[in-house]
Amino acid sequence: DIQMTQSPSTLSASVGDRVTITCRASQSIVTWLAWYQQKPGKAPQLLIYKASSLESEVPSRFSGSGSGTEFSLTISSLQPDDFATYYCQQYDAYPWTFGQGTKVEIK
Amino acid sequence: QVQFVHSGAEVQKPGASVKVSCKASGYTFTAYYIHWVRQAPGQGLQWLGRINPKSGDTHHAQKFQGRVTMTTDTSTSTAYLELSSLRSDDTAMYYCARELRFDPRGQGTLVTVSS
Repeated sequence: DIQMTQSPSTLSASVGDRVTITCRASQSIVTWLAWYQQKPGKAPQLLIYKASSLESEVPSRFSGSGSGTEFSLTISSLQPDDFATYYCQQYDAYPWTFGQGTKVEIK
Repeated sequence: QVQFVHSGAEVQKPGASVKVSCKASGYTFTAYYIHWVRQAPGQGLQWLGRINPKSGDTHHAQKFQGRVTMTTDTSTSTAYLELSSLRSDDTAMYYCARELRFDPRGQGTLVTVSS
């Protein structure tokens, strides 16, 4: 199985901050990587697919980059609605696997 | 808009089986794979498997070998996940997704395994 490692596990930030979350795959997944936002009690919502493609209706302050084994999600200016947990997921090979999550908290 | 209506919460005893469903709407059901993902309380996301609604072909995670059955009813655009020999660590929220996309309202089915 492809292992996905996210860092950090928790991130404390303020409204307006630029934040970056990284995700590393245990082998190359080309650009078959998705990023999700999840709020408590709700299903994950897709933000980014194919490493850098923004899902429809997702604000442009979210962006993704990377290829191969190293990826990142950046929020250019953190908004109150963005405090949530974020997951990366590889869909290059079965079984699809997720990172352990990054919780973005209010500083 | 693509939506999934999940079946209601379930409480099952260890060793029993559970069958959850999600009814799709807003798109051509047979055109996209359905994936199943679960999340234990306070834990991360775990992929269980996927089904091609058009052919019925399935692929599941090795961890669930022999315990998971995925089916669809194309006449009602409904996908089913059956998990057998339930254990306490199967307690989780179960979600279906169309490829990478979950229900936009955030729905899932809570399965609790408890004696």
